[in-house]
Amino acid sequence: EPEVTQTPSHQVTQMGQEVILRCVPISNHLYFYWYRQILGQKVEFLVSFYNNEISEKSEIFDDQFSVERPDGSNFTLKIRSTKLEDSAMYFCASSAEGARAFFGQGTRLTVV
Amino acid sequence: DQQVKQNSPSLSVQEGRISILNCDYTNSMFDYFLWYKKYPAEGPTFLISISSIKDKNEDGRFTVFLNKSAKHLSLHIVPSQPGDSAVYFCAASPQGGSEKLVFGKGTKLTVNP
Repeated sequence: EPEVTQTPSHQVTQMGQEVILRCVPISNHLYFYWYRQILGQKVEFLVSFYNNEISEKSEIFDDQFSVERPDGSNFTLKIRSTKLEDSAMYFCASSAEGARAFFGQGTRLTVV
Repeated sequence: DQQVKQNSPSLSVQEGRISILNCDYTNSMFDYFLWYKKYPAEGPTFLISISSIKDKNEDGRFTVFLNKSAKHLSLHIVPSQPGDSAVYFCAASPQGGSEKLVFGKGTKLTVNP
């Protein structure tokens, strides 16, 4: 089965630093998403991306966050100035038209 | 604002018996519902889905039931196997699954040998 690939699997960063989380969605998918799960809590939607622009974003996705599809294969989430509360598992997902989302294995972000 | 609720944080069943995981939702705009299974340190993996035009969908040992009037869905696993032990997330989407998914908090299923 095709996979969504995320790198790195674990990222430790100092508070205030910028981080970029990387994702390679499934090649023929058109919709891309970022979700996060803070330890012990539910999976939360951050942002969806379609046709090279953000189609929807949640309240969590403030000005510190940005997404980019720099080439035909990668989809990135940038956090400009990390805070302690940004520590979470970040999941990238992708889907085809009208179909269920496939999730990557996640990146564990630890802000110290 | 919990639009998707899984009120049981955990469930324990014996191998071979039925596991029933429940999910309630509040948003009438949801028309597509999915169950995802998640192992520790892995991403959610899709299990089964149902469209609002149906009330039942079956795939092997897994069956999802949807009661639209009650805004309730359930996942039945029968027979349950130890490898089914994982966290199960109910998710809902307002438009055929290509819009954002709203997740419940998850139910941790433990199947005892």
